[in-house]
Amino acid sequence: AQSVTQPDIHITVSEGASLELRCNYSYGATPYLFWYVQSPGQGLQLLLKYFSGDTLVQGIKGFEAEFKRSQSSFNLRKPSVHWSDAAEYFCAVGPPGSFQKLVFGTGTRLLVSP
Amino acid sequence: DSGVTQTPKHLITATGQRVTLRCSPRSGDLSVYWYQQSLDQGLQFLIQYYNGEERAKGNILERFSAQQFPDLHSELNLSSLELGDSALYFCASSVPGAGETQYFGPGTRLLVL
Repeated sequence: AQSVTQPDIHITVSEGASLELRCNYSYGATPYLFWYVQSPGQGLQLLLKYFSGDTLVQGIKGFEAEFKRSQSSFNLRKPSVHWSDAAEYFCAVGPPGSFQKLVFGTGTRLLVSP
Repeated sequence: DSGVTQTPKHLITATGQRVTLRCSPRSGDLSVYWYQQSLDQGLQFLIQYYNGEERAKGNILERFSAQQFPDLHSELNLSSLELGDSALYFCASSVPGAGETQYFGPGTRLLVL
C-alpha cells in the first residue's frame, strides 16, 4: 500500500538556522513527489515537486528537496529559516503520469523561535 | 490566492443533516479533486472528476457524493452527517498532464454538532 511517513510531528528552529524536514515513502514504483505548505487557516500551497531527472529540486521561498531512491526519502531543506516559514508542511506522493491522486503524510508543524 | 474558490468558508450543522460544498476550479482547469482533512485521519483523497466524469475514488463514504457540472464547478454532497464528519474539506484543480500541479482552494470547515 502507498504511504508517506513524516516522522517529526513538531520541529522548532531558530530564525536564521537551517531546516530539514524528513519524508519517507512506500510505493510500488518511483512516484511523483511533492511538498506542500499550509499556513494557519489557509489552503495548501505547492512548494516543489519531483518527477524525474536531477534529484535535487528547487522550489519557491528558498526551499529545496532531495530525492534519494535508495532511502525512499524526499527531505525538504532550507538554509536559513524566516519567521514567516512557520506553518505545517506536508509531503505527498502520487502515481507517475496524470491524474495525481495524492497520498499525504501526517504533516510536520514548524515553529520558528526568535 | 490559488484561483480555486470554495463556498461556504464555514458550515455548522447538526447530525443527520445534509450539506453541499461548492468548488469553482481555476479558469481552464478540467480536473477537480476533493480532499478531507481531519485530526484523526489527516489529509485524505476523496474523489476526482475530469471534465464532468468521475475519474478516481478514494476513501469516500457512501453517504458522500460529488459531481462536476458542465461549467466545471463541482459540488460535494454530504448526507446523514455524523460528528466524525467534522473536518476541513479541500477542493483542488489542475490541468491534467504528466507532472500536473494541483492548486488547492482555502477549504470549507464543516462542524457537525
